[in-house]
Amino acid sequence: AQSVTQPDIHITVSEGASLELRCNYSYGATPYLFWYVQSPGQGLQLLLKYFSGDTLVQGIKGFEAEFKRSQSSFNLRKPSVHWSDAAEYFCAVAPTFGNEKLTFGTGTRLTIIP
Amino acid sequence: EAGVTQFPSHSVIEKGQTVTLRCDPISGHDNLYWYRRVMGKEIKFLLHFVKESKQDESGMPNNRFLAERTGGTYSTLKVQPAELEDSGVYFCASSQVRGSSGNTIYFGEGSWLTVV
Repeated sequence: AQSVTQPDIHITVSEGASLELRCNYSYGATPYLFWYVQSPGQGLQLLLKYFSGDTLVQGIKGFEAEFKRSQSSFNLRKPSVHWSDAAEYFCAVAPTFGNEKLTFGTGTRLTIIP
Repeated sequence: EAGVTQFPSHSVIEKGQTVTLRCDPISGHDNLYWYRRVMGKEIKFLLHFVKESKQDESGMPNNRFLAERTGGTYSTLKVQPAELEDSGVYFCASSQVRGSSGNTIYFGEGSWLTVV
């Protein structure tokens, strides 16, 4: 069975600083990977996804993620965070292409300080 | 274009009562999913509809939960009778035809359920 681990429950960064949120997955085949964000009072919004091809994926809001098969990781990065990035971030994996039965990690809550 | 809408946004009920959550997917989306996040835990898949048919209900926790999708449009998720451990956020999501290139799943804002 597939699983997703987000080792950091809560991260605090200063506005303007760089950000990296960790995600490790466990899955026997090629995974289909996603990052979602939930801002306060909002639903889950897709930031980016990886299906195949270039292992560095660009998403919305200036985020990117890099798929590293050797490390079973799909870490999310942003070079300079904004106060509006404060939210909860979820990494997820799908078993096959086009199958939206997602397995989520427990989420990482991001706090931005001035 | 309207997104996935869920109602109610918040609900507080007593143990043993019944609650019905509703989800209106994006128009034209055949796939409809229910997910749940219990406090402090990960978001978990409950079930998947394709139009009005249940494609996969392997995530439904027990028979106190009943999901329907009338006419392949909106869906309801009923919890009867509710227990304390049912408290959490219930997310609905929808997407277009399965297998389409790079399907994007659109989530609603969630229905926050508190059972006291």
